Amino acid sequence: GQNIDQPTEMTATEGAIVQINCTYQTSGFNGLFWYQQHAGEAPTFLSYNVLDGLEEKGRFSSFLSRSKGYSYLLLKELQMKDSASYLCASYNDYKLSFGAGTTVTVRA
Amino acid sequence: NAGVMQNPRHLVRRRGQEARLRCSPMKGHSHVYWYRQLPEEGLKFMVYLQKENIIDESGMPKERFSAEFPKEGPSILRIQQVVRGDSAAYFCASSPTNLNNYGYTFGSGTRLTVV
Repeated sequence: GQNIDQPTEMTATEGAIVQINCTYQTSGFNGLFWYQQHAGEAPTFLSYNVLDGLEEKGRFSSFLSRSKGYSYLLLKELQMKDSASYLCASYNDYKLSFGAGTTVTVRA
Repeated sequence: NAGVMQNPRHLVRRRGQEARLRCSPMKGHSHVYWYRQLPEEGLKFMVYLQKENIIDESGMPKERFSAEFPKEGPSILRIQQVVRGDSAAYFCASSPTNLNNYGYTFGSGTRLTVV
């Protein structure tokens, strides 16, 4: 089975950095996805990690440690539009197993 | 490219009625996935289909729920005799192959409310 844990909520100030942690326990693992979901909208792809290490993509970076079953998403230079839910998902074959999501609120 | 299209966006049904949710995958995508999102919970896998074939329906309740992806037309998720517990957001996603490192493309979802 799949067990994905991430914090429920985080609050940060505009321009700051926030790190969202995700731990997973999975039977079979082919990679780790992060999605962003604004209220009432579709989840949109942010990043994919299959190897250990850091993947940087502009203001967003994602890290994976397979031996520890751990990932994080780093959001830098926060903007108000970054207020959303961030979903961690492990990938096994064709299935994504999602955590409940972390709601990030960016304050001015 | 219009993306993954789901309709309706919102659907209200009385208990005992049927709900039909439609999903048109992105052009060129032959793999369709349905997920359900309950309030305050993560997206849960329901079913994976390719054209005219159900590949994996292990996440779908055995009764009242069915899915199809015909040769022509959209994929349909059908819920018969809906109950209040079926109220949720139902997301469809598609991919060109099994899954690649860009993940799925999700539709905007259908929000089902059972009254």
